[in-house]
Amino acid sequence: GAVVSQHPSWVICKSGTSVKIECRSLDFQATTMFWYRQFPKQSLMLMATSNEGSKATYEQGVEKDKFLINHASLTLSTLTVTSAHPEDSSFYICSALRQDANYGYTFGSGTRLTVV
Amino acid sequence: RKEVEQDPGPFNVPEGATVAFNCTYSNSASQSFFWYRQDCRKEPKLLMSVYSSGNEDGRFTAQLNRASQYISLLIRDSKLSDSATYLCVGNNFNKFYFGSGTKLNVKP
Repeated sequence: GAVVSQHPSWVICKSGTSVKIECRSLDFQATTMFWYRQFPKQSLMLMATSNEGSKATYEQGVEKDKFLINHASLTLSTLTVTSAHPEDSSFYICSALRQDANYGYTFGSGTRLTVV
Repeated sequence: RKEVEQDPGPFNVPEGATVAFNCTYSNSASQSFFWYRQDCRKEPKLLMSVYSSGNEDGRFTAQLNRASQYISLLIRDSKLSDSATYLCVGNNFNKFYFGSGTKLNVKP
């Protein structure tokens, strides 16, 4: 089945630093990837839709200058949390939509970010 | 109002029990629906799609009621391994909206 690899799986960083999270589709091309955030005991919240070769589309309330998304190739999207603060600590998950014969929506394994 | 709403639970049931979850959605234009399962500190994994005609996969049955705008998941003969959080998901133009999840605890 479709595989989406997300890296790193967990990261601890200091306040004020930036963290980059990678999301790769391993065996298919993904023109569209999605980034979600999940706080403890809450549902996944869509942050942004990442489009290959164009600007990401951000959901209301998500700061595009803080959460930088780059989708430079058909298999890689990156999310950079800039100037991280403790309130950014969360579980970040990417997903990719496969639009070929094996249509489906697959999640990466998630990145647990802790900002200290 | 949230796009998708579901009872957070927890539902505590003994092994072998039958348990059902409901989920309501607010956008009548939502095109498709899914149930995902999420284990603690893991990513969600697709459990099954939900069709208007209803669909069954082993011990799991999912149904969609467009008139009342809800979907359901029925689990028969619960196993300890069914303990997880079950997420109801609606899809509208390739945007997926997640419910907050219903936690199921199956006890021996």
